[in-house]
Amino acid sequence: AQTVTQSQPEMSVQEAETVTLSCTYDTSESDYYLFWYKQPPSRQMILVIRQEAYKQQNATENRFSVNFQKAAKSFSLKISDSQLGDAAMYFCAYRSARTSGSRLTFGEGTQLTVNP
Amino acid sequence: NAGVTQTPKFQVLKTGQSMTLQCAQDMNHEYMSWYRQDPGMGLRLIHYSVGAGITDQGEVPNGYNVSRSTTEDFPLRLLSAAPSQTSVYFCASSSGTSGSLNIQYFGAGTRLSVL
Repeated sequence: AQTVTQSQPEMSVQEAETVTLSCTYDTSESDYYLFWYKQPPSRQMILVIRQEAYKQQNATENRFSVNFQKAAKSFSLKISDSQLGDAAMYFCAYRSARTSGSRLTFGEGTQLTVNP
Repeated sequence: NAGVTQTPKFQVLKTGQSMTLQCAQDMNHEYMSWYRQDPGMGLRLIHYSVGAGITDQGEVPNGYNVSRSTTEDFPLRLLSAAPSQTSVYFCASSSGTSGSLNIQYFGAGTRLSVL
């Protein structure tokens, strides 16, 4: 079974600064997808960014980018120019390419605080 | 766009009571699933469905039942609630098959307390 680990329960960053959230995963598969979800106090799960394992190029979405290291099974999220609205719980998630879209494995989450 | 709708948003039960958490989606998605969120544990898969009439167990299925009679609806039943089922429950749906980078859309969640 696959596992996802987020070793930072809490992180903080100053507004306008850059922060990196860590995620590692364990799998024996070669084809899979990785995701970062944001959960603000409203509880809504919001997809931030996604990465296909077969792509070497790191995904980027505006101020959000990832550092995908397949051999190291690492998938970190970098938030540049942090804003107060970025404060939230962030979850890393894994999905095998062999299973249906219903089956995500999540990490424990990292609570991000943005200080003004 | 309604997306994925969960009801109720909050619920308090007594131990041993039964209830059904409702989930409906209007995107004609084949795939639906239920997760529970507990502090320090992320979201864990309870049950999932790959189409009407087809369901399967996830990581933590004990104490929960599901059925999928229509594409739109995927209710989660607690037959005899226990304090260990105090949690936040999320329903999600997606359209893609295995091998495709499809996105899961989540409902707003149901906060359940079992006393």
